[in-house]
Amino acid sequence: NAGVTQTPKFRILKIGQSMTLQCAQDMNHNYMYWYRQDPGMGLKLIYYSVGAGITDKGEVPNGYNVSRSTTEDFPLRLELAAPSQTSVYFCASSQQGSGNTIYFGEGSWLTVV
Amino acid sequence: AQRVTQPEKLLSVFKGAPVELKCNYSYSGSPELFWYVQYSRQRLQLLLRHISRESIKGFTADLNKGETSFHLKKPFAQEEDSAMYYCAPHTGNQFYFGTGTSLTVIP
Repeated sequence: NAGVTQTPKFRILKIGQSMTLQCAQDMNHNYMYWYRQDPGMGLKLIYYSVGAGITDKGEVPNGYNVSRSTTEDFPLRLELAAPSQTSVYFCASSQQGSGNTIYFGEGSWLTVV
Repeated sequence: AQRVTQPEKLLSVFKGAPVELKCNYSYSGSPELFWYVQYSRQRLQLLLRHISRESIKGFTADLNKGETSFHLKKPFAQEEDSAMYYCAPHTGNQFYFGTGTSLTVIP
């Protein structure tokens, strides 16, 4: 019963490098999300998707890109990593939008040095 | 702008004491209201949702539309309740979370 799976769990990046955080869900959920969690700041929505081929910005999209080519996968791309992107990243999914339970991955710890 | 406020970043109570975690929101329309919890070394998970009107692990949450609040309450706190709690009013395509309250239950 995998649910939402994120990889990698930990990563250290140098300033200016790029990387992709992978996210997959096996619950056939339409909605998928990416959040970042900074200490004392709670969860901030980066991007979300309401279905394959459709993505939209959340609160803090700058410096990130996403794609949703399949229902299952929702990768998050960091271009030109900056120290401000040091955070814990959570991928999540839900069957529909508001009113439905959101299921989270275990998180990806990213440090940019 | 949509906003959700959890005024206490840190909250400590003694075991057996009542606990209340506050949540105030300012959303247009009628959001669906949730509380999510993150225990140490576990993923964030749903605790309860307003529409279900249920009690989970002894916790309840009452929606006060007049005050736009959705406070989480438990009459007798237990040590295993120590965790991070997030209030989450969601409406339309607005899936925002509060800043969270870290609850510590002191033995």
